[in-house]
Amino acid sequence: KAGVTQTPRYLIKTRGQQVTLSCSPISGHRSVSWYQQTPGQGLQFLFEYFSETQRNKGNFPGRFSGRQFSNSRSEMNVSTLELGDSALYLCASSPPVPGRLNTEAFFGQGTRLTVV
Amino acid sequence: AQRVTQPEKLLSVFKGAPVELKCNYSYSGSPELFWYVQYSRQRLQLLLRHISRESIKGFTADLNKGETSFHLKKPFAQEEDSAMYYCALHAGGKLIFGQGTELSVKP
Repeated sequence: KAGVTQTPRYLIKTRGQQVTLSCSPISGHRSVSWYQQTPGQGLQFLFEYFSETQRNKGNFPGRFSGRQFSNSRSEMNVSTLELGDSALYLCASSPPVPGRLNTEAFFGQGTRLTVV
Repeated sequence: AQRVTQPEKLLSVFKGAPVELKCNYSYSGSPELFWYVQYSRQRLQLLLRHISRESIKGFTADLNKGETSFHLKKPFAQEEDSAMYYCALHAGGKLIFGQGTELSVKP
């Protein structure tokens, strides 16, 4: 099976712009989560989508949003970019486990966003 | 508050020496804990989870609820173990990660 694929791998944007990052989960996985990784804050949860619905949300401002499509692919959008949004954005997908919320996450290689 | 603490940013050992990467957590419920590893230029990947109680690549981790710890151990470190190690707690539908420990195994 192909792993979690994130595009693009690298991105440079200017303050005030908006950006959209894409994530294709492993085939059969319906849960997609997004994390921000920075040297100062480490890995922080942004949100999780399951069957096109946002199921959980982290403590990030409303400029950060996401969505999931019927094929489980997900996009993350950041509007009005700030310098502090420079980070590695990781997507993770999880397989369905009958009767429980699955917790094992498979990560993509990330999108490195630089805001200048 | 739900929190994961990895007190060591860097742990440096010689090949063949025992390794223990510390992880403490704060969680009021029944914890579900993981160790993730990131080798150089590779993606973050699951190393082991406490509910499976297995040994992966010679690593083991035991959940100690009394001490709220989930330390990762290996009796004899290998150079290929050099990587970033993250302890994570699954809570409220998300993974809460520690800050990570960089393990450096010297020849």
